[in-house]
Amino acid sequence: AQKITQTQPGMFVQEKEAVTLDCTYDTSDPSYGLFWYKQPSSGEMIFLIYQGSYDQQNATEGRYSLNFQKARKSANLVISASQLGDSAMYFCAMRDSSGNTPLVFGKGTRLSVIA
Amino acid sequence: DAGVTQSPTHLIKTRGQQVTLRCSPKSGHDTVSWYQQALGQGPQFIFQYYEEEERQRGNFPDRFSGHQFPNYSSELNVNALLLGDSALYLCASSLGLGLAVVNEQFFGPGTRLTVL
Repeated sequence: AQKITQTQPGMFVQEKEAVTLDCTYDTSDPSYGLFWYKQPSSGEMIFLIYQGSYDQQNATEGRYSLNFQKARKSANLVISASQLGDSAMYFCAMRDSSGNTPLVFGKGTRLSVIA
Repeated sequence: DAGVTQSPTHLIKTRGQQVTLRCSPKSGHDTVSWYQQALGQGPQFIFQYYEEEERQRGNFPDRFSGHQFPNYSSELNVNALLLGDSALYLCASSLGLGLAVVNEQFFGPGTRLTVL
């Protein structure tokens, strides 16, 4: 079974600073994918970034980067130059290599950006 | 290009009642998954529909059932509502089955169900 652990219930960051949101995972699958989603107060889950287990380089998407450490089973999200609009819940998720299995989510981290 | 839409936005029911939630997938998508997100938790997978059949199911009782229509839209039905069914119900759409692991799911805004 797959499991995602997010140990930070809440985080604060100053506007324009960088912040790291932690995510560790557990799986017996040799091939898997890791995802980060943002959930604003409106409720919609917004896809941010994806990392495949066999990808050699860490994924980046604009201000988002994923610090993937396979041996430590961690997939931390780094947000650079934080903006007030980044305030939201952030969820780490994973699925196995078939692509057809459902996403398994962590409990999330609430990020608050302070002006 | 319309994204995933869900209706209604909010719903209040009493224990024992039945509820139907609706989802229209993103244009071009044919697979619909439903998730339950309790307050303070991450989404939990309920089931997935493809070609009008339930393909996968999470750890939810039979009170939770669904349907997919020929136009790929989907319904989630919950019978004999319990207080613990109060949650945000999210619908996600994707394209096909058995694709690469990066097969992205697009989520709708959710339906917030309150059971009194």
